[in-house]
Amino acid sequence: KNEVEQSPQNLTAQEGEFITINCSYSVGISALHWLQQHPGGGIVSLFMLSSGKKKHGRLIATINIQEKHSSLHITASHPRDSAVYICAVLMEYGNKLVFGAGTILRVKS
Amino acid sequence: NAGVTQTPKFRVLKTGQSMTLLCAQDMNHEYMYWYRQDPGMGLRLIHYSVGEGTTAKGEVPDGYNVSRLKKQNFLLGLESAAPSQTSVYFCASRKEADYYGYTFGSGTRLTVV
Repeated sequence: KNEVEQSPQNLTAQEGEFITINCSYSVGISALHWLQQHPGGGIVSLFMLSSGKKKHGRLIATINIQEKHSSLHITASHPRDSAVYICAVLMEYGNKLVFGAGTILRVKS
Repeated sequence: NAGVTQTPKFRVLKTGQSMTLLCAQDMNHEYMYWYRQDPGMGLRLIHYSVGEGTTAKGEVPDGYNVSRLKKQNFLLGLESAAPSQTSVYFCASRKEADYYGYTFGSGTRLTVV
């Protein structure tokens, strides 16, 4: 079992829909990252969370440390949101970054 | 402000050939990392460096070598490429004291035929 699991693996949405991507982890962490990877492009950090909730534009990220779960929400989705969204956790000890396999999001117009 | 620059962006190698991937950062970061990304899997750490002249193995180091002769550059070498090394390679860097501030490059897509 992977230490970081994301769901769903693939997601297709219509423009304007509310989207949720989930991340569960099985290890102790000091922080969690949500990353975005556009086709053929590099990886960009969206959020770093250690507790609670963060919002940036139409993106909202939440984390529940007790339940070892985080969600990334996209409100009013747009085709330009189409990308791979990656959850990565910073291990509590050793400062190692462990990545989920990613969620491939396609938003259709 | 270029951030992390990877060269080349694409490469096709024949089995047994060698090549070097270059990662350059202009942020004066101490820590640098090489990852590989394969379908259905999270990024996996190949090698990393905590400073000039030092390197260490990650999860999947076999078949790769690295060098960090200058603080700003981290080189990943494949001495004898194998089809199993077909992957997208990402470099990342961060400041020593900033455990959260990773900066990633744009990736190198390598195909070994």
